[in-house]
Amino acid sequence: GQNIDQPTEMTATEGAIVQINCTYQTSGFNGLFWYQQHAGEAPTFLSYNVLDGLEEKGRFSSFLSRSKGYSYLLLKELQMKDSASYLCAVSPNTDKLIFGTGTRLQVFP
Amino acid sequence: SQTIHQWPATLVQPVGSPLSLECTVEGTSNPNLYWYRQAAGRGLQLLFYSVGIGQISSEVPQNLSASRPQDRQFILSSKKLLLSDSGFYLCAWSAPRGGLGETQYFGPGTRLLVL
Repeated sequence: GQNIDQPTEMTATEGAIVQINCTYQTSGFNGLFWYQQHAGEAPTFLSYNVLDGLEEKGRFSSFLSRSKGYSYLLLKELQMKDSASYLCAVSPNTDKLIFGTGTRLQVFP
Repeated sequence: SQTIHQWPATLVQPVGSPLSLECTVEGTSNPNLYWYRQAAGRGLQLLFYSVGIGQISSEVPQNLSASRPQDRQFILSSKKLLLSDSGFYLCAWSAPRGGLGETQYFGPGTRLLVL
């Protein structure tokens, strides 16, 4: 079957660094995606990893280890506006994405 | 640039009534199109996806149906809504099949409440 696991909730302090983990087991692999979803809004694309290693985009970085079925999203210099749900999704083929249930991050001042 | 529209933004419907949600994409040709539902506090559940006009794949058996009458139009329908159909409905598009996983981009969503 297809399974994606990520923590349900995390909290952090403004200015800190937080790492959101995602583990997956899928029948195929064509890449892993991270999306950000603010309450009541649609998800927005953050990052895509298909090769092992770290991809950096400003304050956000995403890491992938295909052999371990593991990824993380690293958020640096946290801001209040980073309070949102972060969705991990895997493409088992090029037509579909399988989404995790999301990690709700709360940033406190 | 590409944009994706959904309407209505919010809908309150009685149980047993019909449903029609519309999604249109601009600025791209032959996109893959997707309908998802997100129940309160839950993850995204893929309902239907389409790789071309008239081509619909259903992921979850239910009382919903989807149609793609034009290249950039995707419609989600129901003949009789159930209470369990309440949720946040999201349409998404991606570029046509390529060698790697394609990024999906989401519309603003329709919040449906069935009473």
